[in-house]
Amino acid sequence: GENVEQHPSTLSVQEGDSAVIKCTYSDSASNYFPWYKQELGKRPQLIIDIRSNVGEKKDQRIAVTLNKTAKHFSLHITETQPEDSAVYFCAASIHSSASKIIFGSGTRLSIRP
Amino acid sequence: DAGITQSPRHKVTETGTPVTLRCHQTENHRYMYWYRQDPGHGLRLIHYSYGVKDTDKGEVSDGYSVSRSKTEDFLLTLESATSSQTSVYFCAISESGGALEDTQYFGPGTRLTVL
Repeated sequence: GENVEQHPSTLSVQEGDSAVIKCTYSDSASNYFPWYKQELGKRPQLIIDIRSNVGEKKDQRIAVTLNKTAKHFSLHITETQPEDSAVYFCAASIHSSASKIIFGSGTRLSIRP
Repeated sequence: DAGITQSPRHKVTETGTPVTLRCHQTENHRYMYWYRQDPGHGLRLIHYSYGVKDTDKGEVSDGYSVSRSKTEDFLLTLESATSSQTSVYFCAISESGGALEDTQYFGPGTRLTVL
């Protein structure tokens, strides 16, 4: 089955700098890659997603890139702010009749003032 | 937030007792999911449902059962709770299971402690 690996597990960056989180997946049939942000004590919330027919997607300070050949995708956050501190999860969906999303193990991002 | 609620939000129980968690949605979405979240493991799928009375296993289904008798409700039962089932449980919904429309929206979570 699908396996998603996420790195790093923790990341600390200076406010205003960029943060990059990387994920790899194993099932070449996966074609949907969402990213979720989870603040302390809250539910995971979708922040951006990308489908396999595009290589990059951007939404203000957040961008995601996808390399299907290498089976990896990355989240880029520019001009980081204190409110970006959270746990971020990548995921990949198994291409089947039912939507089963496999999540990475998460990255705890801390923004230093 | 999508119209998803979970009950109870917190529960403490003893080993060997049955426990049922409830997920309720007002979005009329076809798909519903149960995940558990543990440190270092992210979110792991327990069971999911693709319609009333239609369910299937996820990657960590042992010790859990589910039922869906109505579109809006998805129940997760721990038949005989064990300490290893101490976790935070999230319900999620999606409009369809197709790869093009499978964005999942999560409920607020239930923190379960098994003593």
